[in-house]
Amino acid sequence: DGGITQSPKYLFRKEGQNVTLSCEQNLNHDAMYWYRQDPGQGLRLIYYSQIVNDFQKGDIAEGYSVSREKKESFPLTVTSAQKNPTAFYLCASRSISRVEADTQYFGPGTRLTVL
Amino acid sequence: GDSVTQMEGPVTLSEEAFLTINCTYTATGYPSLFWYVQYPGEGLQLLLKATKADDKGSNKGFEATYRKETTSFHLEKGSVQVSDSAVYFCALSDRAGGTSYGKLTFGQGTILTVHP
Repeated sequence: DGGITQSPKYLFRKEGQNVTLSCEQNLNHDAMYWYRQDPGQGLRLIYYSQIVNDFQKGDIAEGYSVSREKKESFPLTVTSAQKNPTAFYLCASRSISRVEADTQYFGPGTRLTVL
Repeated sequence: GDSVTQMEGPVTLSEEAFLTINCTYTATGYPSLFWYVQYPGEGLQLLLKATKADDKGSNKGFEATYRKETTSFHLEKGSVQVSDSAVYFCALSDRAGGTSYGKLTFGQGTILTVHP
């Protein structure tokens, strides 16, 4: 089955620690995205990548970093510089083919809690 | 910039009631419009979409029509079920393809609860 996997499902972090959230897709999609979701709010874009070895900041990139060394993988690191990291993190991907170029598909999410 | 406004929630209905969740948008150009659904503790699932004016998206009994003249994309269902209880997000995408990165702009979400 093709899809997007995120791990872990739940993650607990102590203040001052960096943590890395995994996102893998086997849909052969070119573009990948990270969003943050807070209670009662819509999703906000953290980073996105359209091709391997290239990525751009979204609306709330401060305190986060990413890499895109493989087409199928787009890990997100939440650094100690992120002041309020407790949130639900969602990864998404999309094809850039003409048929589905505008549709993003989402993974199941990782809930990060800072202790 | 682009923005999406959804009706305030939460919305509480009895089973078999008619559902409308309003969504209006502001965008330059001709965006694609989407409804996503999120069940508790899960990611977002694409419910339906429309890519140009007067298109109607439909799936699982839900419908929404792309109205350019009123910049709206209201979600409707004729008879809701308990299993429809979830959070519904309206979103728009700038025209993706080529060098465009296809950013999604979301509304704040509407919580729907359906009682038996």
